[in-house]
Amino acid sequence: DVKVTQSSRYLVKRTGEKVFLECVQDMDHENMFWYRQDPGLGLRLIYFSYDVKMKEKGDIPEGYSVSREKKERFSLILESASTNQTSMYLCASTSGSLNTGELFFGEGSRLTVL
Amino acid sequence: ILNVEQSPQSLHVQEGDSTNFTCSFPSSNFYALHWYRWETAKSPEALFVMTLNGDEKKKGRISATLNTKEGYSYLYIKGSQPEDSATYLCAFSGFQKLVFGTGTRLLVSP
Repeated sequence: DVKVTQSSRYLVKRTGEKVFLECVQDMDHENMFWYRQDPGLGLRLIYFSYDVKMKEKGDIPEGYSVSREKKERFSLILESASTNQTSMYLCASTSGSLNTGELFFGEGSRLTVL
Repeated sequence: ILNVEQSPQSLHVQEGDSTNFTCSFPSSNFYALHWYRWETAKSPEALFVMTLNGDEKKKGRISATLNTKEGYSYLYIKGSQPEDSATYLCAFSGFQKLVFGTGTRLLVSP
C-alpha cells in the first residue's frame, strides 16, 4: 500500500513560533507538494518539489519555506507563524507528470496558531 | 486566474438514490481533469484522472464523463450508499498547474 505520512495530525502554536510540518512518502515519488485547505476555498498550492533540493513556489508561498534534502521527505516551514496560517495542511506526492499524475495525499495536519 | 467551479456545494440524498455533480473548468490549455474523494479524517484519494475529450471512466458505482471543448465533467454515483458520504473534489490541470475546485459535500442517509 502506498503511503504518505504527515508527522502531526493536530498542532497548536503561538504567533511568532517556528513551525515544521514533515511529510514522508514511501513510493519513491519524484514530485511532492504542500497544499492548504480553508473553508470555502479549494486546495491551494504552497510549494512543490520535483527532485531532491529542487523547489518551486506555488500560488501562496508567502510566509512559508520548504526543504527537500532526501527524496522521501518534504518539509514545510513556517518561519514565524501567524494567525492567518491557521489551516489544514495537506502533503501529496506523485510519480507521474505534474499534469496527469494521480496525487497521493497524507491525512493532513490541522494547525491552529493562537 | 483559473477558475474551477463545482456544483452543487452540498447534497443530501437517501440511500439508493443516484446522484451527479458538475465540475466546470477552462476549455483552453487543458491537460487533465482529476476527481478525488475525501472522507472525513482520511486522506483524499484519487478516483479518476481523465485526459481525452469524451472520456468516460467507471469504478464500481461511480463514473465520470469529460467534455474538454465546453469545459465540464460530470461525476455520477449510482445507488448511493452511506459509505459514499464524502467531499468530492475535482482539479483542472493546465500545463503544470493543478487547480482544485471547492468540492461537493455529499451526505447519504440510511
